Amino acid sequence: DAGVIQSPRHEVTEMGQEVTLRCKPISGHDYLFWYRQTMMRGLELLIYFNNNVPIDDSGMPEDRFSAKMPNASFSTLKIQPSEPRDSAVYFCASSPSLAINSYNEQFFGPGTRLTVL
Amino acid sequence: AQKVTQAQTEISVVEKEDVTLDCVYETRDTTYYLFWYKQPPSGELVFLIRRNSFDEQNEISGRYSWNFQKSTSSFNFTITASQVVDSAVYFCALSNTGTASKLTFGTGTRLQVTL
Repeated sequence: DAGVIQSPRHEVTEMGQEVTLRCKPISGHDYLFWYRQTMMRGLELLIYFNNNVPIDDSGMPEDRFSAKMPNASFSTLKIQPSEPRDSAVYFCASSPSLAINSYNEQFFGPGTRLTVL
Repeated sequence: AQKVTQAQTEISVVEKEDVTLDCVYETRDTTYYLFWYKQPPSGELVFLIRRNSFDEQNEISGRYSWNFQKSTSSFNFTITASQVVDSAVYFCALSNTGTASKLTFGTGTRLQVTL
């Protein structure tokens, strides 16, 4: 398997522009997670999906951020309008379905490094 | 609320030295999972180990070993005979059970191994 695929790997944009980050989870995984990594705040969970349905978006910083998962093999994280403080590395991760009282580790993509000027 | 504390921001050792990375966690759950991830300079997050709260056995994998102690809420990671390739940021993380669980990460410890 190719693992979790993210695109683009690097994105440089100007303040006010719309940014779309993309993720393809590992085939067969039921869960998809979006994380953000910054020096100030470390790794934060933004949102996660189960079977394409958003389950918890409490980590989404504000209305400028939105995430969708139209099908089992694709998800997007959109920032509109972008601001310099959104500059970070955004990771997508996926995980297989869970048996009761168990946990499967999350497999992370390579990340997208976003720079907003 | 869950919390993971990695008090060591940065550690520098000389190759072949042993090094221990500390992790202290807080949770009200009786069932939970603990993880270590490695983030090398290339940036990806690499899974190293998962332990559940019912299994306090220490684990050894090659030069890596983990010490889980519920009494002190700690899950420390030791690298024996460190190598330059071990240089990375190491994250400890915590999750509860149930539906897909959120990982709460510590702030990470940057390990620098020099010749």
